[in-house]
Amino acid sequence: DTEVTQTPKHLVMGMTNKKSLKCEQHMGHRAMYWYKQKAKKPPELMFVYSYEKLSINESVPSRFSPECPNSSLLNLHLHALQPEDSALYLCASSQDPRNQETQYFGPGTRLLVL
Amino acid sequence: GENVEQHPSTLSVQEGDSAVIKCTYSDSASNYFPWYKQELGKRPQLIIDIRSNVGEKKDQRIAVTLNKTAKHFSLHITETQPEDSAVYFCAARSYSSASKIIFGSGTRLSIRP
Repeated sequence: DTEVTQTPKHLVMGMTNKKSLKCEQHMGHRAMYWYKQKAKKPPELMFVYSYEKLSINESVPSRFSPECPNSSLLNLHLHALQPEDSALYLCASSQDPRNQETQYFGPGTRLLVL
Repeated sequence: GENVEQHPSTLSVQEGDSAVIKCTYSDSASNYFPWYKQELGKRPQLIIDIRSNVGEKKDQRIAVTLNKTAKHFSLHITETQPEDSAVYFCAARSYSSASKIIFGSGTRLSIRP
């Protein structure tokens, strides 16, 4: 398996809802990432997990809560989001966080907050 | 921290012609430079990358050049085809922040038939 997968593909949620995004890879990669991408903009880093531990949090609001249950899975828990949080949420992975390894992106979850 | 500037923001070329996208970076410790292609509604996909110990790399119709002294790198696409139409992002990563990629603002490339 040489892909990063993400579920769901699309998500519509209200500002009081709680939902989760899921990312999975079976390439043995030990670094996993969450990015947020607004239309016509580059991906914006949110979180980095290295060896299942949170290593980078780019000052993301607490309504976004990441979780890495094991080396293959990455979740992003969403609660009390705002309409401006509507975006494409991309997961990525790379082989070894200590080295200059390529990041591979999943297809993303397109989130709409009403 | 690292800052990556990318030009132009939009580029339209005739099918069969060449396209060039240019990026500059600010952190002299940056040593890895990937290029991603993102088609509408799709994920960013790595198309080519270059490390700082190499000045040029080529893969079929795509080439990347790196000038470490000037801190700029460029993507060259020759014999452009309709399927090359997409948004292209350059990026840079510093040895001191191995996990963090800094993206350029993107170039929307359109290929005219």
